[in-house]
Amino acid sequence: DIQLTQSPSFLSASVGDRVSITCRASQGISSYLAWYQQKPGKAPKLLIYAASTLQSGVPSRFSGSGSGTEFTLTISSLQPEDFATFYCQQLNAYPLTFGQGTRLEIK
Amino acid sequence: EVQLVESGGGLVQPGRSLRLSCTASGFTFGDYGLSWVRQAPGKGLEWVGLIRSKTYGGTTEYAASVKGRFTISRDDSKSIAYLQMNSLKAGDTAVYYCVRLLRLTRYNAMDVWGQGTTVTVSS
Repeated sequence: DIQLTQSPSFLSASVGDRVSITCRASQGISSYLAWYQQKPGKAPKLLIYAASTLQSGVPSRFSGSGSGTEFTLTISSLQPEDFATFYCQQLNAYPLTFGQGTRLEIK
Repeated sequence: EVQLVESGGGLVQPGRSLRLSCTASGFTFGDYGLSWVRQAPGKGLEWVGLIRSKTYGGTTEYAASVKGRFTISRDDSKSIAYLQMNSLKAGDTAVYYCVRLLRLTRYNAMDVWGQGTTVTVSS
């Protein structure tokens, strides 16, 4: 199975900060990586797919990059509504797998 | 509005069965693959399985943890997908999400999520 390791697992930041979350795959997954945001008690929401394509309706402060085994989700200027847990997911091979999550909290 | 609505969750004893339903609206259901993802209390996301559209054979894939116990099916005439769960264990306790698969040349993401239905396996 392809393991995805997110770092950091926890991140404390302030409104207006630029933050990045890394997702490393245990083997190459080309660009078959997606990022999701989940707020407490809610279903996840798709942010980025194909490593760097912004899902329709998602603010442009979110961006994704990377290919192969290392990927990054960047939020250019944190807004109050961005504080949540973020997950990466690989869709290169079965079983599909998710990273363990990165919890982003307000400093 | 594109929407997925899960139903059928509840409290069930270990070893028993439960069937979840996922009712779709706002899009051509038969054109899409569907997947189930679960989230145990306080834990991360775990992929359960998927079913392809009839265009791609209507075949299924499962996580090892549920293979042989869970079955995903679909009724395109009713725009409903099902997750039949047999031989349930305490470790199957979770919120179960139905999700639509976004496909470009292959599956690239899960772009529409239901609100989730809670399954609790306990005696």
